Amino acid sequence: GAVVSQHPSRVICKSGTSVKIECRSLDFQATTMFWYRQFPKQSLMLMATSNEGSKATYEQGVEKDKFLINHASLTLSTLTVTSAHPEDSSFYICSASFPGLAEYNEQFFGPGTRLTVL
Amino acid sequence: KQEVTQIPAALSVPEGENLVLNCSFTDSAIYNLQWFRQDPGKGLTSLLLIQSSQREQTSGRLNASLDKSSGRSTLYIAASQPGDSATYLCAVLNQAGTALIFGKGTTLSVSS
Repeated sequence: GAVVSQHPSRVICKSGTSVKIECRSLDFQATTMFWYRQFPKQSLMLMATSNEGSKATYEQGVEKDKFLINHASLTLSTLTVTSAHPEDSSFYICSASFPGLAEYNEQFFGPGTRLTVL
Repeated sequence: KQEVTQIPAALSVPEGENLVLNCSFTDSAIYNLQWFRQDPGKGLTSLLLIQSSQREQTSGRLNASLDKSSGRSTLYIAASQPGDSATYLCAVLNQAGTALIFGKGTTLSVSS
């Protein structure tokens, strides 16, 4: 399957700082990338969907000014958690899909980023 | 609003047992259903993807079935091994292909 990477894998920051997480599709051009958040023992919850070159679409309840998403190229999407607080501590996972698998709409997932806000 | 439920939440079995994990969803209008494996602190590994028009998919010791009309899917694991210990997530993709909705998962522990 297609490979999606995330960086960093783990980040610890102080409350009030901003953190950027990168999601890269390594061997294909991803027209669409998705960002999910997973709290302990909970489901993955979709935060937003981003299409290359356009603004992200946020799910209800997700603050777009707090979670800034940029999908500037077909291989890179970034999620910036602005003014992070302890309640933002979570596991953030991205996924990507591309036209070649349009028939299946399959998403390929990155390894995730563990964010801890002190 | 689509909701995905997985039962049981946790399961412990001795090595060699066959087992079934259950997934149910409230809206049968889905594009596909996917089973994933997640190891602690790690990302997702796709196991099986079943299109809405399909009834089952098989990969090695894994077999997943889909009954779209009743909103149910099962993941059958044959001859379980300690290496199968992980959390198994079920997810359905809406018909528009825009939203993947996950269950909370079943955490499986296989003892040797």
